[in-house]
Amino acid sequence: SQTIHQWPATLVQPVGSPLSLECTVEGTSNPNLYWYRQAAGRGLQLLFYSVGIGQISSEVPQNLSASRPQDRQFILSSKKLLLSDSGFYLCAWSAAGALQYFGPGTRLTVT
Amino acid sequence: RKEVEQDPGPFNVPEGATVAFNCTYSNSASQSFFWYRQDCRKEPKLLMSVYSSGNEDGRFTAQLNRASQYISLLIRDSKLSDSATYLCVVRNAGNMLTFGGGTRLMVKP
Repeated sequence: SQTIHQWPATLVQPVGSPLSLECTVEGTSNPNLYWYRQAAGRGLQLLFYSVGIGQISSEVPQNLSASRPQDRQFILSSKKLLLSDSGFYLCAWSAAGALQYFGPGTRLTVT
Repeated sequence: RKEVEQDPGPFNVPEGATVAFNCTYSNSASQSFFWYRQDCRKEPKLLMSVYSSGNEDGRFTAQLNRASQYISLLIRDSKLSDSATYLCVVRNAGNMLTFGGGTRLMVKP
C-alpha cells in the first residue's frame, strides 16, 4: 500500500531564516505531488503541484519554491521566511486523475 | 466570491442528533465532488465521494444538485467521534482540487 511521509512534524523558525520541508511517497511510481498550506482557521491553499521529476507548477506567487529531485520526493523551500508563512503545510499525492491523499503535515511557526 | 463556500459553524449538536451541512460551488464545469474530514491538527482524509444520484455510507448521506451547484452531507445518529471539521471539495480540470473553508462539528454528550 502507499504511504506518504512528511518531516519535520513541527518547526519554529525566526523571520528571515531559510526553510526546507520534505515529503516522500512510498508504494507508487510517478505520482502527482502537491503542496498545500492551511493558515489558522482557514481553508487549504494549493501552493505547487508536480506531475513528474523536475516539473513544478506554481499556483500562488510568493517567497516559496518547490523542487522534485526524485520521482517520489517533493521539497518545499524558502530562502527567507516571513511571518505570514506560518501555517500547516500539507503534502499530497495522487495517481493521474485519481483522488488525493495527504501526508501528516508540518506545522510551521515563524517568530 | 469564493469558489467553494461553506458555513464555518460550529454546529453544536447532542449525541444521536441528525445534522446537515451545505456547500455551494461557483464553477459550473466542476467535475467531481467530495467530502473530506479533518480532525484537529491532523491532515484531511477522504470521507466520501458525492454522486449526482446521491449516495450513502452508513450514517452518512451525500447529495449533489448540479443545477443549483449545491452539495450536502447528512449525518444521522451523531457520535462523539464525529466531531471534526468537514471540508467540501470540488475537482476541476486537471485533477486540481479546490477546498471549502470547512464546517466545524462538535457533538456533545
